[in-house]
Amino acid sequence: DAGVIQSPRHEVTEMGQEVTLRCKPISGHNSLFWYRQTMMRGLELLIYFNNNVPIDDSGMPEDRFSAKMPNASFSTLKIQPSEPRDSAVYFCASSLDSYSGPSSYEQYFGPGTRLTVT
Amino acid sequence: AQRVTQPEKLLSVFKGAPVELKCNYSYSGSPELFWYVQYSRQRLQLLLRHISRESIKGFTADLNKGETSFHLKKPFAQEEDSAMYYCAIRSYGNNRLAFGKGNQVVVIP
Repeated sequence: DAGVIQSPRHEVTEMGQEVTLRCKPISGHNSLFWYRQTMMRGLELLIYFNNNVPIDDSGMPEDRFSAKMPNASFSTLKIQPSEPRDSAVYFCASSLDSYSGPSSYEQYFGPGTRLTVT
Repeated sequence: AQRVTQPEKLLSVFKGAPVELKCNYSYSGSPELFWYVQYSRQRLQLLLRHISRESIKGFTADLNKGETSFHLKKPFAQEEDSAMYYCAIRSYGNNRLAFGKGNQVVVIP
C-alpha cells in the first residue's frame, strides 16, 4: 500500500489564482482529514470527513477555502482566490474509525503539498 | 476545548545526552495523548500513544493527569532522533486530533 497519496507535492502560484490540492486516502479507511502546517501556528485541522460526509469544518479559515469528498477514494481542498498568507504545507490524513485493534483510529499522513503563493 | 502546549520550539542536545520534550494539555474529560514525529523529508507518523505504555525507539511518555502533562523522554539521544515532534490530544469517542505547535529537535554529534 502506497499510503495516503497527495498531489501535487509542490505548488507555486500567484495571488488570486485558484489552487486545488488532491488526496487519495488509504483504501478501506473511512475518515479523511485536511491539515495546514505553518511555522507560526503549527499543525491545524481544517476539516474532516467521515464516510465522505464533512463532520467538522470549523477549522476552515474562510470562505475562500472549500473541501469535497465525492467518493471514498478521493478528496480535494480548493483555495479560491489564493493569497500569500495561504502559503503553508497542507497535509491529508486518513484513518479507519471502527474498533479493530491497537491501530484503530490512528491517522496516517500523506507527504504533504507545499503551497507557495506569491 | 482541548488544547496542547509545547513550550520550546527548538531543542538542541548533544548525542548521548538525555532529551525531554514537554507537553501540557487542557481538557476536562479523559483524553488520549499521542506523540507524532516527522523526520526530514518523511511523513508525519505516530511515535507512541499513552494507552500503549510502550517504549518506541527508546522514547517513553507517561501521562500525568495531576499535572496534565505527557512529556516525551529519551535517556540517550541519537543523531537519528533529529526531527520535528508533535504532541496531540484526542477525546474518547472523537477522532479529531488537536496538535501542539511542535518541537524541533537537533541532536549534535
